[in-house]
Amino acid sequence: DAKTTQPTSMDCAEGRAANLPCNHSTISGNEYVYWYRQIHSQGPQYIIHGLKNNETNEMASLIITEDRKSSTLILPHATLRDTAVYYCIVRVASNDYKLSFGAGTTVTVRA
Amino acid sequence: NAGVTQTPKFRILKIGQSMTLQCTQDMNHNYMYWYRQDPGMGLKLIYYSVGAGITDKGEVPNGYNVSRSTTEDFPLRLELAAPSQTSVYFCATYVLASGEQYFGPGTRLTVT
Repeated sequence: DAKTTQPTSMDCAEGRAANLPCNHSTISGNEYVYWYRQIHSQGPQYIIHGLKNNETNEMASLIITEDRKSSTLILPHATLRDTAVYYCIVRVASNDYKLSFGAGTTVTVRA
Repeated sequence: NAGVTQTPKFRILKIGQSMTLQCTQDMNHNYMYWYRQDPGMGLKLIYYSVGAGITDKGEVPNGYNVSRSTTEDFPLRLELAAPSQTSVYFCATYVLASGEQYFGPGTRLTVT
């Protein structure tokens, strides 16, 4: 897995967009960017992934820069239930199976 | 479809005792994983398996053993429990084609 760098923690206001950055400057051409989150005491949950195009689903949007060296996960309208640790991971989907996680970003949504 | 189930949810062990953490999945996924998460820390990979009969070490395998006799089950064995093994243990599966992992609810283990 390519190394990623995320801020240790960040706060955001309820109802506002939360923008979570991730740097992956050594990403290879065939590596995807994945985002997971872990709500307190639970197992991590898949959010979204992408290769080079921006992606959106019912949970979030993923914006990947043109050079693919960084990405941003956007939670469009953060709620208190979005308080969690968010992990940015880069992986080759087809043959990369020794899967590790970094430290992630602790996101606290405040009322 | 229960996904990934883990038993027990909680356990307290004395130093030197042994136990097996159970993990079962009903999604027919070939790849399975064991992670540990110490308080306030990220997940560390202990062991993984790419299919029945095949296992391999992760980042922190010392003090643990695994087996994979069926696709569904991937038990994690602690032979001589130590306080350093106090942690939350998560089992997960992996879909190679999509790169998504599916996690169980975790087992909270305390060794005193």
